[in-house]
Amino acid sequence: SQQGEEDPQALSIQEGENATMNCSYKTSINNLQWYRQNSGRGLVHLILIRSNEREKHSGRLRVTLDTSKKSSSLLITASRAADTASYFCATDTTGFQKLVFGTGTRLLVSP
Amino acid sequence: ETGVTQSPTHLIKTRGQQVTLRCSSQSGHNTVSWYQQALGQGPQFIFQYYREEENGRGNFPPRFSGLQFPNYSSELNVNALELDDSALYLCASSLYQGSSYNSPLHFGIGTRLTVS
Repeated sequence: SQQGEEDPQALSIQEGENATMNCSYKTSINNLQWYRQNSGRGLVHLILIRSNEREKHSGRLRVTLDTSKKSSSLLITASRAADTASYFCATDTTGFQKLVFGTGTRLLVSP
Repeated sequence: ETGVTQSPTHLIKTRGQQVTLRCSSQSGHNTVSWYQQALGQGPQFIFQYYREEENGRGNFPPRFSGLQFPNYSSELNVNALELDDSALYLCASSLYQGSSYNSPLHFGIGTRLTVS
């Protein structure tokens, strides 16, 4: 069963614009992770945020976590065509990396 | 460092048959996990292996079984294949040291299994 639900299911933007994806989950977590998947490289880990953290940055990525609302958001700034992929949030309730993935957001960045 | 490799990349089987999928972990990693990803869905956790023992299982029946070998490579076996087993099967490895994981999951590009 899916723990997380991503919103929107699909997002289409122009290069240079920002992309925001949201994730909601159901149970208490140890950490939440974001992954990117495209057909060429499979699933790639982007960023991990622990339950006691509220915001984390990595390059053009910014992740926020609100445990009271059981939600997270991923912001990609200054999007590039190469960012075109599906993005998944994954929750880890135990800290032992038995991840529960959401349904994903398909991002299309047009040149 | 070598990444996670899976074989074969594609496989077609008939309902009722058995299948074995293989995974070679990233060098230095000692834990391997398997996930099933149906078309248009997120991956679902099947099971995890550490020190050659199953270390947690998701909501999958016993006909899904696995092995981890001393060199940390792994197999996923599925018996009595059903049409709903058609999916992308992903292997992921990581490093567990002391009492915590010291790396994120590193995924292979998967095996696409079609059951007809």
